[in-house]
Amino acid sequence: ETGVTQSPTHLIKTRGQQVTLRCSSQSGHNTVSWYQQALGQGPQFIFQYYREEENGRGNFPPRFSGLQFPNYSSELNVNALELDDSALYLCAFQQGTSYGYTFGSGTRLTVV
Amino acid sequence: QKEVEQDPGPLSVPEGAIVSLNCTYSNSAFQYFMWYRQYSRKGPELLMYTYSSGNKEDGRFTAQVDKSSKYISLFIRDSQPSDSATYLCAMSHQGAQKLVFGQGTRLTINP
Repeated sequence: ETGVTQSPTHLIKTRGQQVTLRCSSQSGHNTVSWYQQALGQGPQFIFQYYREEENGRGNFPPRFSGLQFPNYSSELNVNALELDDSALYLCAFQQGTSYGYTFGSGTRLTVV
Repeated sequence: QKEVEQDPGPLSVPEGAIVSLNCTYSNSAFQYFMWYRQYSRKGPELLMYTYSSGNKEDGRFTAQVDKSSKYISLFIRDSQPSDSATYLCAMSHQGAQKLVFGQGTRLTINP
């Protein structure tokens, strides 16, 4: 196991609803990133948090928002869900000062 | 045009074969190059991490980076059925917060 825990593992939501996904690390890293992986595609960067502040954002609308807590766990919130939001959502913690990241197993979100 | 291009495959080879996986990229600022392996229903797992150009070997895996051609490769020797997975290349540059991934190549090793 990677030591990165994501919950829930699977989720089904209706278009227009809101969702919160959670992520935590056993090792307590201070940099966490979220990625969206559509079926058959590589992960796409949503945003990164460093010491509880957003530290970079990809090409995602404001209805995608996040939080990082003092214990370095994190949440991804998505409002006004759209069908195209159906994907695997991955969080990743940076390994020390390198550019290698440890990923969780993801949350599979289905919007119907 | 995508920043990182990767042939999605699928690629199917017999057990014991040498596998070659490749990515090309357009952003000359990329300095950090990674290969991730992703099994079905799992998150990506870091396999190889390389800074700048050159080769890096780890067991049966060899990563190559040619910055002049903007081309990176992953070689798998003596391939095993347990190597069957999707392989993702990823890149980043100094000061960047994000990894830029290729589409992933789906690899099957047949016993």
